[in-house]
Amino acid sequence: EVQLLESGGGLAHYGGSLRLSCVGSGFTFGNYDMTWVRQAPGKGLEWVSFISGSGSSTYYTDSVKGRFTVSRDNSESTLYLQMNSLRAEDTAVYYCAKDALLVDWGQGTLVTVSS
Amino acid sequence: DIQLTQSPSFLSASVGDRVTITCRASQGIDSYLAWYQQKPGKAPKLLIYGASTLQNGVPSRFSGSGSGTEFTLTINTLQPEDFAVYFCQQLNIYPRTFGQGTKVEIK
Repeated sequence: EVQLLESGGGLAHYGGSLRLSCVGSGFTFGNYDMTWVRQAPGKGLEWVSFISGSGSSTYYTDSVKGRFTVSRDNSESTLYLQMNSLRAEDTAVYYCAKDALLVDWGQGTLVTVSS
Repeated sequence: DIQLTQSPSFLSASVGDRVTITCRASQGIDSYLAWYQQKPGKAPKLLIYGASTLQNGVPSRFSGSGSGTEFTLTINTLQPEDFAVYFCQQLNIYPRTFGQGTKVEIK
């Protein structure tokens, strides 16, 4: 059974940083692309970032380019999202999902950015 | 970026109804469209990909159609567990944007 477990969310100040982690199990982690999606409170889904299985290709939505960095450690089956220069509009539940087609999702981790 | 516009944003329906949700893309995306269902407090669930292919385990009352810029999600014989929010997503180019969502509520 595929499991994805996010962690690292919490309260951050405006301009601060957080690093989210997502540990995958039940599948060969390095064989799969991974995606981050976020959802602001009471709002819709926003695609955030993608990383290929090898880590060689990454993509970002415009609003996080230059501030967020996606990476992965396949030896640890872990996906990361380094978030810098945080803004109030980054407040959201952040989900990691397996593959570009989002078949399996984690439970999400809440990031709150206060001013 | 490709914009996806869902209509309606909200609909009220009864158990047993047939419901159709439309997703329009700002430019052609062939059949690179997926549909997700999300219930309160839960992660989204993939229903359909490739515009019309049902994900394993999804009931056959769900169906998808369309290509290019206009797509539909149809739920035949709405069941109580189908009251949720539905999102479309394009998988043609990055960033892989979502529609704004359609909330299906009980009439």
